[in-house]
Amino acid sequence: DAKTTQPPSMDCAEGRAANLPCNHSTISGNEYVYWYRQIHSQGPQYIIHGLKNNETNEMASLIITEDRKSSTLILPHATLRDTAVYYCIVSGSGYALNFGKGTSLLVTP
Amino acid sequence: KAGVTQTPRYLIKTRGQQVTLSCSPISGHRSVSWYQQTPGQGLQFLFEYFSETQRNKGNFPGRFSGRQFSNSRSEMNVSTLELGDSALYLCASSPGSGRSYEQYFGPGTRLTVT
Repeated sequence: DAKTTQPPSMDCAEGRAANLPCNHSTISGNEYVYWYRQIHSQGPQYIIHGLKNNETNEMASLIITEDRKSSTLILPHATLRDTAVYYCIVSGSGYALNFGKGTSLLVTP
Repeated sequence: KAGVTQTPRYLIKTRGQQVTLSCSPISGHRSVSWYQQTPGQGLQFLFEYFSETQRNKGNFPGRFSGRQFSNSRSEMNVSTLELGDSALYLCASSPGSGRSYEQYFGPGTRLTVT
């Protein structure tokens, strides 16, 4: 599976959009981009995934560039409960996930 | 639907002992994966079972093993425990078939080896 690069930490004001970037320049054609998050001491939570089209669900939006070498997870109206570590993962299957170090997002009042 | 359940939630063992952890997946899910999380190494994939067969395996020593039963419930076993095995062990379930799918994680079992 392709390797991903994420900033180690980000801040966001409550109520504003949180835009979390991810680089995956070696992604191959059959690999998906998955986003999970982990709130302290809990199991990771699935957020969203996509192949090449932008995706949106009740939690977030996923924007994938046309060349698929990078993506952005957007939390449209961040709340304090969105404070967590966010993992961007590239996988051909969805299992055997390589979580990496992720981005620690702090949402402030 | 009930979520993924893991038992026990907390466990303390002594070096050299063995331990068995249990995971019950979401009803209808046939794939169960196991992960180890430590402060130093982060979340690492152990293995994945689908329809009672190990389908994927991570880079862990043979002391770590698992199995899956016909009802999709899974157990993982760690023999000859070492201090470094102290970790949060997470189980995740998913439908297991199709081109892509999300995993649903349980709350984990916190293992402390003394």
